[in-house]
Amino acid sequence: QVQLVESGGGVVQPGRSLRLSCVGSGFTFSSYGMHWVRQAPGKGLEWVAFTSYDGSNKYYEDSVKGRFTISRDNPKNTLYLQMNSLRAEDTAVYYCAKDRRRYSSGWNDYWGQGTLVTVSS
Amino acid sequence: DIEMTQFPSTLSASVGDRVTITCRASQSISSWLAWYQQKPGKAPNLLIYDASSLESGVPSRFSGSGSGTEFTLTISSLQPDDFATYYCQQYNTYSGPTFGGGTKVEIK
Repeated sequence: QVQLVESGGGVVQPGRSLRLSCVGSGFTFSSYGMHWVRQAPGKGLEWVAFTSYDGSNKYYEDSVKGRFTISRDNPKNTLYLQMNSLRAEDTAVYYCAKDRRRYSSGWNDYWGQGTLVTVSS
Repeated sequence: DIEMTQFPSTLSASVGDRVTITCRASQSISSWLAWYQQKPGKAPNLLIYDASSLESGVPSRFSGSGSGTEFTLTISSLQPDDFATYYCQQYNTYSGPTFGGGTKVEIK
């Protein structure tokens, strides 16, 4: 069965960096686009970033452009989110989510359990 | 950017009720819309994609309709397991998807 397992969350000071990882299994990881989606405490879902199956096509939400970088290592079945210059408003549960498509952004058929990032001094 | 407006934000209903949630796009998105269910402390779960296609394993009491800018999610007969928050998501653009603000379905 499809599994997505995130890791790397924690408490970090404003302005510092953090890297999240998401390991996929139960499907051909290298064949699908992947997303990061976040949810601030008590709030709704907010899309963060997308990468195509081969990493050649990437999109970012405006508030994270220039600060966050999405990448993937297909031989390791792993998705990453490098988060720099973190702000208090980046505090959220971060989910990785599989796309049904390969190259352009579509809908998310599987989600990980999420990892909590808290930005606080 | 395409904005997605969901309403109502909260809905109180009883078991057995027919429930309808609406999602409106700020511009036409054809049928590029999905619906998700989320329970507290859990990840979202895909219900509907391409506006009206039922995801495998999802009960048939869930249905989706609409195209262009107006979409609805209908639960034909609300079950105890359906009390949750529902989100719409558009994926029409090459600038990334956007979610609606969510609709919480509560017990009346």
